[in-house]
Amino acid sequence: GQNIDQPTEMTATEGAIVQINCTYQTSGFNGLFWYQQHAGEAPTFLSYNVLDGLEEKGRFSSFLSRSKGYSYLLLKELQMKDSASYLCAVSNQAGTALIFGKGTTLSVSS
Amino acid sequence: GAVVSQHPSRVICKSGTSVKIECRSLDFQATTMFWYRQFPKQSLMLMATSNEGSKATYEQGVEKDKFLINHASLTLSTLTVTSAHPEDSSFYICSARADSTDTQYFGPGTRLTVL
Repeated sequence: GQNIDQPTEMTATEGAIVQINCTYQTSGFNGLFWYQQHAGEAPTFLSYNVLDGLEEKGRFSSFLSRSKGYSYLLLKELQMKDSASYLCAVSNQAGTALIFGKGTTLSVSS
Repeated sequence: GAVVSQHPSRVICKSGTSVKIECRSLDFQATTMFWYRQFPKQSLMLMATSNEGSKATYEQGVEKDKFLINHASLTLSTLTVTSAHPEDSSFYICSARADSTDTQYFGPGTRLTVL
């Protein structure tokens, strides 16, 4: 079966660093995506990993270990606007729909 | 780049009417588009995969005669909710898979309320 796990909720304070973990078990693997979704809005693309290692993009970084079925999204210098749901999604085959985790709701406080 | 539009963004209709939602990739070609539904505080649920020029593939439990999908060009897919009922009220989101990169980009979503 297909399974993607990530924590349901996390809290952090402004200026801090937070790491959101994601583990996956899928029939195939063609890449892992992270999306950000604010309440009432559609998801926006954050990052894509297909090879092992760290991808850095400004305040956000994403890491992948294919052998461990594990990824994390690292958010640095947190801002209030980073309060949102973060979705981990896996493509198990090129051209097919992504398999989404249930999302991690991040609350950033001052 | 990689912009996907959806229209309308919000619609309120009476029970029994049909509603058409359009999904367009504005600056890239998308042979494949996907339609999702999301209920409050829940994750995205894939409804169907739409391929340009062929029939859509529906996920288990999704009625193909109720949710009509047409993918007439490489930049446009439409979802028609036929004979809508209050339980169809939801947030409908499309995504378009860029042919060149395999990355999926989401439209802004359509909030459907059926009275």
